[in-house]
Amino acid sequence: ETGVTQSPTHLIKTRGQQVTLRCSSQSGHNTVSWYQQALGQGPQFIFQYYREEENGRGNFPPRFSGLQFPNYSSELNVNALELDDSALYLCASRRGLDQTSYNEQFFGPGTRLTVL
Amino acid sequence: AQRVTQPEKLLSVFKGAPVELKCNYSYSGSPELFWYVQYSRQRLQLLLRHISRESIKGFTADLNKGETSFHLKKPFAQEEDSAMYYCALIRTPYGNKLVFGAGTILRVKS
Repeated sequence: ETGVTQSPTHLIKTRGQQVTLRCSSQSGHNTVSWYQQALGQGPQFIFQYYREEENGRGNFPPRFSGLQFPNYSSELNVNALELDDSALYLCASRRGLDQTSYNEQFFGPGTRLTVL
Repeated sequence: AQRVTQPEKLLSVFKGAPVELKCNYSYSGSPELFWYVQYSRQRLQLLLRHISRESIKGFTADLNKGETSFHLKKPFAQEEDSAMYYCALIRTPYGNKLVFGAGTILRVKS
């Protein structure tokens, strides 16, 4: 059973550009959540995908969008990058929608995005 | 809205000393509480969950609904406990996002 993987590991972009981050969920997991972790802060929920549909969104503008594919892998797209988008982006996967203790979600290593 | 507060950015203790990492939350309903840990160069991972009432690596945490707290405790700190610790909650039922605190760095000195 492979864990959650994310690519790329690091990325440098300039203001106004667009970026796509990728996540492969753990085997058997059909729910993927994305979090943004700014320096010195805890992770903040961006959105969640279940069976290829968005299922919940945090307080992020529409320029943050996503996709989930039939194999349950996922992409996070950010348009019109701003300096404040510089952060570690984490992906987490779990089986089903149940977010309770008995359905643990597993985090990937993250993608470090730097916007200059 | 739900909020999680971890008042200490850094907690430094000597090996063998007791540890208490504080976590307070605000949520009008019945949340489910978790502690996550991130060791150096490793990914974020679940340490323990309040509903299981378990002890993991010697750590325990009790949910105090009256004080809206979920402090993490260990009677005798070990050097390998040094890590970043995050308290998190999810609203029930039907919560779909974890709400994290800002985290506390635990440094165990020899």
